[in-house]
Amino acid sequence: KNEVEQSPQNLTAQEGEFITINCSYSVGISALHWLQQHPGGGIVSLFMLSSGKKKHGRLIATINIQEKHSSLHITASHPRDSAVYICAVRSSQYGNKLVFGAGTILRVKS
Amino acid sequence: GAGVSQSPSNKVTEKGKDVELRCDPISGHTALYWYRQSLGQGLEFLIYFQGNSAPDKSGLPSDRFSAERTGGSVSTLTIQRTQQEDSAVYLCASSPLGRGDTQYFGPGTRLTVL
Repeated sequence: KNEVEQSPQNLTAQEGEFITINCSYSVGISALHWLQQHPGGGIVSLFMLSSGKKKHGRLIATINIQEKHSSLHITASHPRDSAVYICAVRSSQYGNKLVFGAGTILRVKS
Repeated sequence: GAGVSQSPSNKVTEKGKDVELRCDPISGHTALYWYRQSLGQGLEFLIYFQGNSAPDKSGLPSDRFSAERTGGSVSTLTIQRTQQEDSAVYLCASSPLGRGDTQYFGPGTRLTVL
């Protein structure tokens, strides 16, 4: 079992739809990151959070520490949101290094 | 300002040869990270440098892999006697202070070992 599980693995949405990507982990963490990787390969850090909720534009990230679960939401999705979304956690149990999920491949069709 | 840069962007080498991959972090960032992304696999931590502290090498997969960071800035990841399973994209990231910060990723070096 991976330390960080993401679902779904693949997601196809129609432009304008509300999208949710989920991330579950199994140990206590100090921080959770959401990253975006575009087809060209570049990785951008979207959020780093340790509690509650953060919002940036059409993106919202939430985390429930007790349930060891985080969600990334995209409102009013657009084809340019098509990318791989990666969840990563930092925990003292992993030597404080980032441990990554396998990623969710999102395709938004116009 | 300039982001994290990596060179070369692509490297094709023959099995058994040594390769060096370079990372230029964002100026002033004290923390530098190397990651590997193999085809169809997730990102994997390799090594972490923080200021003058001893690096965290816990992610290096074998003793063929080594990295150094000169003058607290540029870093070089060296892979000796490359194997086909070393083929991957090698990503470098930097952050202002340390592991508690947002990381800024470079574009990666795609390594192909024939």
